[in-house]
Amino acid sequence: DAGVIQSPRHEVTEMGQEVTLRCKPISGHNSLFWYRQTMMRGLELLIYFNNNVPIDDSGMPEDRFSAKMPNASFSTLKIQPSEPRDSAVYFCASGLGSSGQETQYFGPGTRLLVL
Amino acid sequence: KQEVTQIPAALSVPEGENLVLNCSFTDSAIYNLQWFRQDPGKGLTSLLLIQSSQREQTSGRLNASLDKSSGRSTLYIAASQPGDSATYLCAVYAGGFKTIFGAGTRLFVKA
Repeated sequence: DAGVIQSPRHEVTEMGQEVTLRCKPISGHNSLFWYRQTMMRGLELLIYFNNNVPIDDSGMPEDRFSAKMPNASFSTLKIQPSEPRDSAVYFCASGLGSSGQETQYFGPGTRLLVL
Repeated sequence: KQEVTQIPAALSVPEGENLVLNCSFTDSAIYNLQWFRQDPGKGLTSLLLIQSSQREQTSGRLNASLDKSSGRSTLYIAASQPGDSATYLCAVYAGGFKTIFGAGTRLFVKA
């Protein structure tokens, strides 16, 4: 049974470039979370989707960040243009529920380095 | 604003020792508290979830307690093993679709 799948696992890019991170949630799950983890700020929620609809995007740091969930099996997090301070590990997690407090199953993360 | 603190930041113990990890939160109005494990270069794995109405949860060698009134939770690991080496994070859910995570305790169990 596959868990949450994220791609790419590692991404190195130059400042100003567009970066797209991808996530495939666990089949049957209806909630999806995007997180960012850094040494300085720890794990921060960026956006929460439920039934493919963005419910809470208050954690998205600025307009350079956007997230979409076109269907129940795929989500993207895009950074355009990227900056060195965006360097972090980005996690996607999925769950079953609608309150935001459902048990979350995390993907392995995408390690992003912006030079 | 809810803040979650974990002490100690790092811990090294010999194999077989029982140990306690601590988590404190500033606002006692929470719905639940979870303990996660994170292995290097990997995502988080949920270990235990305690609802606000519960006092503790157990899974194998792990026992988590919750004292909402004092804003504290502990994760007790019995008979520690080298395979328990990882970072342990606690997280509280207080509504608003946000789970607030602590910075974690990095545990190293020496063989």
